[in-house]
Amino acid sequence: NAGVTQTPKFRVLKTGQSMTLLCAQDMNHEYMYWYRQDPGMGLRLIHYSVGEGTTAKGEVPDGYNVSRLKKQNFLLGLESAAPSQTSVYFCASSQARIRGNEKLFFGSGTQLSVL
Amino acid sequence: SQKIEQNSEALNIQEGKTATLTCNYTNYSPAYLQWYRQDPGRGPVFLLLIRENEKEKRKERLKVTFDTTLKQSLFHITASQPADSATYLCAQGGATNKLIFGTGTLLAVQP
Repeated sequence: NAGVTQTPKFRVLKTGQSMTLLCAQDMNHEYMYWYRQDPGMGLRLIHYSVGEGTTAKGEVPDGYNVSRLKKQNFLLGLESAAPSQTSVYFCASSQARIRGNEKLFFGSGTQLSVL
Repeated sequence: SQKIEQNSEALNIQEGKTATLTCNYTNYSPAYLQWYRQDPGRGPVFLLLIRENEKEKRKERLKVTFDTTLKQSLFHITASQPADSATYLCAQGGATNKLIFGTGTLLAVQP
């Protein structure tokens, strides 16, 4: 049982380049999330999805796009990377809607550096 | 807006002692609080959830309390071990589909 798998684990981009982060979960969870984690800022929600074919904006969505074409996959795209997007990105999933009582399962993260 | 605060300073304790971490919340009264553990280079891992009508929750050496008057949750690790060294995150359920996370507190247990 792999849980939540993120690829790649590390990536270095030049300003203006684009890339896609892939998240896959094998727990048949409905909800999936993309967070970024920066020193002193905690985990901040970028986008989330409440089911296949749906996406919604989180706390810091600007500069990112997402897609959920299949239930098990949630993609995070950066169309034109900026140094401010240097961060550690985490994907998470949950079985049901977050009302505070549903625990999240996290991937191991992607370290992204934008030069 | 909802805000959740954890002590940003690292907590250093001796092996065998009880570690106590604090989580304070403002501007919102969550129905639940969650605690996660995060090791370097890894994603957070869920530990415990406590409801607002539960004053205390236990799991093995872990204990969480929820004081709605003080707007605070305390996370205790009894008989701490070096393997307990990690960053511990507190999170509260928001009014929308997201958890609000604190910045975490780094715990270092010295042998």
